[in-house]
Amino acid sequence: GENVGLHLPTLSVQEGDNSIINCAYSNSASDYFIWYKQESGKGPQFIIDIRSNMDKRQGQRVTVLLNKTVKHLSLQIAATQPGDSAVYFCAENNGTGANNLFFGTGTRLTVIP
Amino acid sequence: EPEVTQTPSHQVTQMGQEVILRCVPISNHLYFYWYRQILGQKVEFLVSFYNNEISEKSEIFDDQFSVERPDGSNFTLKIRSTKLEDSAMYFCASSELASTNEKLFFGSGTQLSVL
Repeated sequence: GENVGLHLPTLSVQEGDNSIINCAYSNSASDYFIWYKQESGKGPQFIIDIRSNMDKRQGQRVTVLLNKTVKHLSLQIAATQPGDSAVYFCAENNGTGANNLFFGTGTRLTVIP
Repeated sequence: EPEVTQTPSHQVTQMGQEVILRCVPISNHLYFYWYRQILGQKVEFLVSFYNNEISEKSEIFDDQFSVERPDGSNFTLKIRSTKLEDSAMYFCASSELASTNEKLFFGSGTQLSVL
């Protein structure tokens, strides 16, 4: 399978601070990346995506950065809230024309009130 | 907001028994998927389904697995003879377009426990 992994398995931040979750991927052919949030007992919830022809994309309180040179993806969450506590996965499409995703191991974000 | 729904939320079965996991994808979506997540591990792709046939499957999706869209709304995953290692959370997903760069919407999953 593809190697989509995360640098840190857990991250704790104070409420109101910004969070940065990192992800490394190994397949240089990957051309589409997604961040998912998974709360306990629920399925992955789409947060934001980015295509390989971009290096930055912003959503509501979230920004995804893509560095294709070092095959690195990050998710920035501004003004982190207790409701942001969850496991965050990066996923990649392997760029071969398939429509399946390869998920990383996940980072558990804990927001401290 | 439209969502993917899965039933049951929990399924307990004996080893060797057949199970059917059910999913109702989002109504205007065309691509359907099954993924699974063994406790504490990555979410893994099993199979994708489009135009009433399997478009891609992983090594996990062996002859014990099958998928079906029996009517216009349901999408099912059948495991013919369950093994202990099939215990996992099974997620159904769907996407609107038959595109390689289309975000997937996931259901809440069915927790399968094989005893």
